[in-house]
Amino acid sequence: DAEITQSPRHKITETGRQVTLACHQTWNHNNMFWYRQDLGHGLRLIHYSYGVQDTNKGEVSDGYSVSRSNTEDLPLTLESAASSQTSVYFCASSEFGGAGTEAFFGQGTRLTVV
Amino acid sequence: GQNIDQPTEMTATEGAIVQINCTYQTSGFNGLFWYQQHAGEAPTFLSYNVLDGLEEKGRFSSFLSRSKGYSYLLLKELQMKDSASYLCAFRGSTLGRLYFGRGTQLTVWP
Repeated sequence: DAEITQSPRHKITETGRQVTLACHQTWNHNNMFWYRQDLGHGLRLIHYSYGVQDTNKGEVSDGYSVSRSNTEDLPLTLESAASSQTSVYFCASSEFGGAGTEAFFGQGTRLTVV
Repeated sequence: GQNIDQPTEMTATEGAIVQINCTYQTSGFNGLFWYQQHAGEAPTFLSYNVLDGLEEKGRFSSFLSRSKGYSYLLLKELQMKDSASYLCAFRGSTLGRLYFGRGTQLTVWP
């Protein structure tokens, strides 16, 4: 069965370190998204991609970067981790279009920056 | 710009019916989605509306009025396992980006 997986599931890192969160999907979807979820804010979009070599900034992109070198993967990099980036991170993928193109979410990565 | 709003919390009793409302504002529209998210888990897809009217799927139904920028999720015969956060989201174009509300935390009491 097709799926979308994130790794690691849990991560503790120190302030100032570079951290990369992995996201891998086997749906062959063109669209991939990274969200963060914090109490009181819901899901906020960090970066997204509509295909290989395409990346776009979301509402909360400062301090984050992504690259899309193939269809399956969209790694999220925190350039220099800050305590404000402690959050739960969700990766999602979807196809273009209308009905039947809902987004599928990974299990999430809980990141703690100390 | 885009804006989406839904109540923060709702409570109901087992066996009852609950309606969770969602209002949105957007210049482009290509569908309204509802997701369910249990604590500590990923959001999972519940329903999709792109035309006005009611879509029924078992105990869950979703309604859309595009002219009013309004949707609701109707949950019937509530069960304890329905206690979760319900996320409303719209897609602004066919490209796929979703705009999420903050979620409605539903608590079902016995």
